[in-house]
Parts: sequence; C-alpha cells; structure tokens
Amino acid sequence: DAKTTQPTSMDCAEGRAANLPCNHSTISGNEYVYWYRQIHSQGPQYIIHGLKNNETNEMASLIITEDRKSSTLILPHATLRDTAVYYCIVRAMNSGNTPLVFGKGTRLSVIA
Amino acid sequence: NAGVTQTPKFQVLKTGQSMTLQCAQDMNHNSMYWYRQDPGMGLRLIYYSASEGTTDKGEVPNGYNVSRLNKREFSLRLESAAPSQTSVYFCASSELRVGNQPQHFGDGTRLSIL
Repeated sequence: DAKTTQPTSMDCAEGRAANLPCNHSTISGNEYVYWYRQIHSQGPQYIIHGLKNNETNEMASLIITEDRKSSTLILPHATLRDTAVYYCIVRAMNSGNTPLVFGKGTRLSVIA
Repeated sequence: NAGVTQTPKFQVLKTGQSMTLQCAQDMNHNSMYWYRQDPGMGLRLIYYSASEGTTDKGEVPNGYNVSRLNKREFSLRLESAAPSQTSVYFCASSELRVGNQPQHFGDGTRLSIL
C-alpha cells in the first residue's frame, strides 16, 4: 500500500468547515483512499473512501485531485465532537481482507 | 445494532498471569482482526482471521494466541502476560467480498500488566 503524509495537527473553529489534507504521491491506479478517525478512548471509526471520483456521505466529503496524488477530507460544519485523530490510508483494490496500516494521522482540535 | 463488542473494557493483570480478550460481531462479517495501540502510536496488527477456520499472524504476534470460535467470535489470549503487553487492544471486522470493505472497530480493552 502507498505511503501517506498528513499534518500532525490542525485547529478548526466550531461551525466552520474542517479541511484535512493527505498526500499520497506514490498511489497506484488500483489503490483506494480511505479515511478513518479515532475519538479519544474509542475505537477507530470508518468515515469515507474513494478511488478517483469525489465522494460524499452523511459524515464528510472526500475530494481527490485529478492526478490522485493528494486528497482532502472535508467536515462541512465541524462540531466539538469531531475532535479526533484522522487517518488517511491508501489501500489496493485487491487487498481483500488484509489489515489496515494506520500511520500517525492528523490530530484535529475543534475549538468553540 | 451493537456492531463489534469487546469484553472486558478494562483489566489489570500481574506479570505471568493469563487472560483471554473476547470479541464478538453481529454484522455477519467473515473477517476479524486484533490490533494493539500504544500511547502516541498508530494501531499495529496482532492476528487476523480472513474467514471462519483460518487465522494468520500480523505485525506483532509474539506472546499472543487467537481462536476463531465461530463466525461471530474471535478471541485473543495472553498465556503469560508481560509488562510490554500493556496496551489498548482493538478488535475489528469486515466483510469478505471483492473490493475494499471498511473495517468496523470495537471500543477497545484497556489492559495493564504490573
């Protein structure tokens, strides 16, 4: 699976959009971009994933650049409960059920 | 809908004691995983079970054993606990089918070895 680079930490004002970047410049054509988050003292929570098209669900939007070398997770209206560590993971389409590889992630602090 | 349930939530052991961590999922997933997370670090895979009846080692299997009891349950056993095994343990599950399926995690077992 390709390596990802994320900022160590970010702040966001409550009610504003949180934009979390991820660089995956070595991504290959059959690799998906996944986002998970981990709120303090809880297990990781799946957020969203995509291959090359932008994706949106009830939690967030995922914007993938045309060259697929980077992506941005957008939380449209951040709340205090969105304070967490966010992990960007790149994974091959045919990974089957091999385990996820979590890096250090971005610690997002939502500030009132 | 409970998802992935882990028991116990907290446990303190003495060095050398044995213990089994339990995990059950109610999503009819084929694959299950055990991870550990140490302070300030990402998750590391201990063992996983791609489907009922199979288990495979992950990144850090030493000192652990697993049992895939049935499709729902996947247990992790420490035969002789060591202080280095103090950690938070997470169980996860996912579907087994073509393409990438997200993993769903329990809320963890916090284990301290004295």
